Amino acid sequence: GAGVSQTPSNKVTEKGKYVELRCDPISGHTALYWYRQSLGQGPEFLIYFQGTGAADDSGLPNDRFFAVRPEGSVSTLKIQRTERGDSAVYLCASSPGTSQGYEQYFGPGTRLTVT
Amino acid sequence: GIQVEQSPPDLILQEGANSTLRCNFSDSVNNLQWFHQNPWGQLINLFYIPSGTKQNGRLSATTVATERYSLLYISSSQTTDSGVYFCAVERATGFQKLVFGTGTRLLVSP
Repeated sequence: GAGVSQTPSNKVTEKGKYVELRCDPISGHTALYWYRQSLGQGPEFLIYFQGTGAADDSGLPNDRFFAVRPEGSVSTLKIQRTERGDSAVYLCASSPGTSQGYEQYFGPGTRLTVT
Repeated sequence: GIQVEQSPPDLILQEGANSTLRCNFSDSVNNLQWFHQNPWGQLINLFYIPSGTKQNGRLSATTVATERYSLLYISSSQTTDSGVYFCAVERATGFQKLVFGTGTRLLVSP
């Protein structure tokens, strides 16, 4: 079946602009995660959804970052007033369960460049 | 939070050689996954292995949960094995998120 998909694959924006990044999880997966990967480092957790609600947003760096999952499927990560330090690859993952111990599957990522 | 350390940080092999990558973690885990990140940045699932041993072709993995480490074995390496290998764990007590190690960068030369 189809894997996790993310759009756009690349996004270049000017400092101060607003951006939205989209994630389509694997069909039927109830858990959805966002991670961020900076150059030369491993991915770092941002936020986790169980269904429609954000169960853990402890990884969001500040209040410029926000994510939604209104119908429990597609999710959008929103970044306001972008800064050059926001440049990174944003990865989305999904898993079939909402308790611990389920395998996570990652999308190809969105490479965000803030100029 | 939980600490995840991978070794070695860099590895250069000749095609056909074998290698062992190690992942140490500092707390009990419910989930441990090994990933290969290819040159295009895609994270490819290799193993879901919170405990025990699994094999998939030339790759195998072992996790000894009581001693808090996991090993990834690559046999008869090929140039397509090049990339970064990540270990990621989900702490047993706490929230449902993966914590990644810093990775092992592997280069297999022909």
